Amino acid sequence: AQTVTQSQPEMSVQEAETVTLSCTYDTSENNYYLFWYKQPPSRQMILVIRQEAYKQQNATENRFSVNFQKAAKSFSLKISDSQLGDTAMYFCALRSGAGNMLTFGGGTRLMVKP
Amino acid sequence: GAGVSQSPSNKVTEKGKDVELRCDPISGHTALYWYRQSLGQGLEFLIYFQGNSAPDKSGLPSDRFSAERTGGSVSTLTIQRTQQEDSAVYLCASSLETSGGGPRETQYFGPGTRLLVL
Repeated sequence: AQTVTQSQPEMSVQEAETVTLSCTYDTSENNYYLFWYKQPPSRQMILVIRQEAYKQQNATENRFSVNFQKAAKSFSLKISDSQLGDTAMYFCALRSGAGNMLTFGGGTRLMVKP
Repeated sequence: GAGVSQSPSNKVTEKGKDVELRCDPISGHTALYWYRQSLGQGLEFLIYFQGNSAPDKSGLPSDRFSAERTGGSVSTLTIQRTQQEDSAVYLCASSLETSGGGPRETQYFGPGTRLLVL
């Protein structure tokens, strides 16, 4: 069985500052994929960033980047230059190469303050 | 279509009634997934389809839950004899493929159906 843990239920950050959301996971697979999804109040889950476990280079998407530490099974999300529109629930998710379902963490509620 | 769509957006029903939730995946996506999001359980996988077949039904919580997909497109999740613990947001996602790795397996989500069982 695979698990995903997000230890920060809530976080806040001032607009334009940087914030890091934590995620740890456990899986017995060698081939897997990690994701961060954003869920604003509209409920729509939006893909933020994706990382393949076999890639050592950390993924980046504009203001979003990850710190992927495979040995430590850690996958944190850094949001730079935070914007008010970043306010949302953020979910870390794991998909193993052998399966098709996503396993989600419990989520971190991020509030960006003006 | 431009994205995954789900209907209805919200559904209120009485305990014991049956409900049907609909999902229209992104055009051309062969894989379709159902998840449930509730306060107590977080986000749980329910079932996925590859084409019209469902190889993995392991997440369905009870035999009151069933799902089908026709024409490799639209899917319906049916909950019979609803209970109050079925109250949740039901999310649908689709992806181009389910194997081979890469971005083609990335799941894109719809806005969900919020179900309230009174």
